[in-house]
Amino acid sequence: NAGVTQTPKFQVLKTGQSMTLQCAQDMNHNSMYWYRQDPGMGLRLIYYSASEGTTDKGEVPNGYNVSRLNKREFSLRLESAAPSQTSVYFCASSGQVNEQFFGPGTRLTVL
Amino acid sequence: RKEVEQDPGPFNVPEGATVAFNCTYSNSASQSFFWYRQDCRKEPKLLMSVYSSGNEDGRFTAQLNRASQYISLLIRDSKLSDSATYLCVVTLPDSWGKLQFGAGTQVVVTP
Repeated sequence: NAGVTQTPKFQVLKTGQSMTLQCAQDMNHNSMYWYRQDPGMGLRLIYYSASEGTTDKGEVPNGYNVSRLNKREFSLRLESAAPSQTSVYFCASSGQVNEQFFGPGTRLTVL
Repeated sequence: RKEVEQDPGPFNVPEGATVAFNCTYSNSASQSFFWYRQDCRKEPKLLMSVYSSGNEDGRFTAQLNRASQYISLLIRDSKLSDSATYLCVVTLPDSWGKLQFGAGTQVVVTP
């Protein structure tokens, strides 16, 4: 099992460009999450999907959109990137209990 | 005020010594508590859940103090491989699956 995979690992964007971060899990988990992690701050929830077909806003959703494509895949889209979105982005999934399994992260820089 | 607060450290610990650190949470209704471990530039991984009665997993002991709203982690016989950032995580009532992360406590074990 690969667990949770994310692509790309690194990305540099110019202000105003758009991109989609991809996430997939092979653990048959119902729930999936997108976080961002900034220096000196805890992981902050951007969006989550409790089950296939549903998505909800987290703590910091502005500037992002998500798509739960199927049970395995949950993508995060930045429509018009801003320097404030420079961060490390983690995708996670969880099953019946609260333990969340994280992907390796995407390091995004917006110039 | 942050939901979850941690001393960022670093806690510099000689190999073989014991280190302990706390985390405080602001919402008295917080329900579940965890410690995650994050290695440099890697994804967080669950270290252990924290139960009301306290629990031990090998060299790691976690305690919960609901009255004072803090949880603690103690590492005995520290190994070089214990060097990492330890993230305190809580869940709030009626927030299924949504975790609140502290910014982390860095531990550096030295030879």
